[in-house]
Amino acid sequence: DAKTTQPPSMDCAEGRAANLPCNHSTISGNEYVYWYRQIHSQGPQYIIHGLKNNETNEMASLIITEDRKSSTLILPHATLRDTAVYYCIVRVNTNAGKSTFGDGTTLTVKP
Amino acid sequence: DAGITQSPRHKVTETGTPVTLRCHQTENHRYMYWYRQDPGHGLRLIHYSYGVKDTDKGEVSDGYSVSRSKTEDFLLTLESATSSQTSVYFCAISESDAGSSEAFFGQGTRLTVV
Repeated sequence: DAKTTQPPSMDCAEGRAANLPCNHSTISGNEYVYWYRQIHSQGPQYIIHGLKNNETNEMASLIITEDRKSSTLILPHATLRDTAVYYCIVRVNTNAGKSTFGDGTTLTVKP
Repeated sequence: DAGITQSPRHKVTETGTPVTLRCHQTENHRYMYWYRQDPGHGLRLIHYSYGVKDTDKGEVSDGYSVSRSKTEDFLLTLESATSSQTSVYFCAISESDAGSSEAFFGQGTRLTVV
């Protein structure tokens, strides 16, 4: 699986959009980009994933650059409950749970 | 939430003793995984299973064994616990191995080896 690079921490004001970047310059054509988050040392929670097109669901949007070397997770209206560690994972098209988690980005949403 | 139950949720054990952690799922998913997470770090895969009695090693499998005798249960055993195995252990499940298939995680087991 390709390696990812994320900033260790970010702050965001409540109600504003949180934009979390991830670099994955060695990504291969068959690798998906996944985002998970972990709140208070609970089990990681799936957020969204994509291959090359931008994706949106009820939780977030995922923007993948055209060359697929980086992506951005967007939480459109961050709340205090979005404070968590966010993990960007790049994974080959097999073994959904066989993921390599880096250290992630700690997002702190402030009032 | 996906039907995943880990037991026990907390355990303190002595060095050299065997320990078994259980992951139970009610989703009938084929794939199950064990991860460990150390303070301030991401998760690392220990072992995974792709069916009953079918298991394989992850990146940090030394000192651990697993068994899956039925679809719903995946057991992680520390044959002789060491202090370096003090960690939080997470179980995960997924329906398929497709890249588009997401994994769901349990709430974790906090293991302390003294």
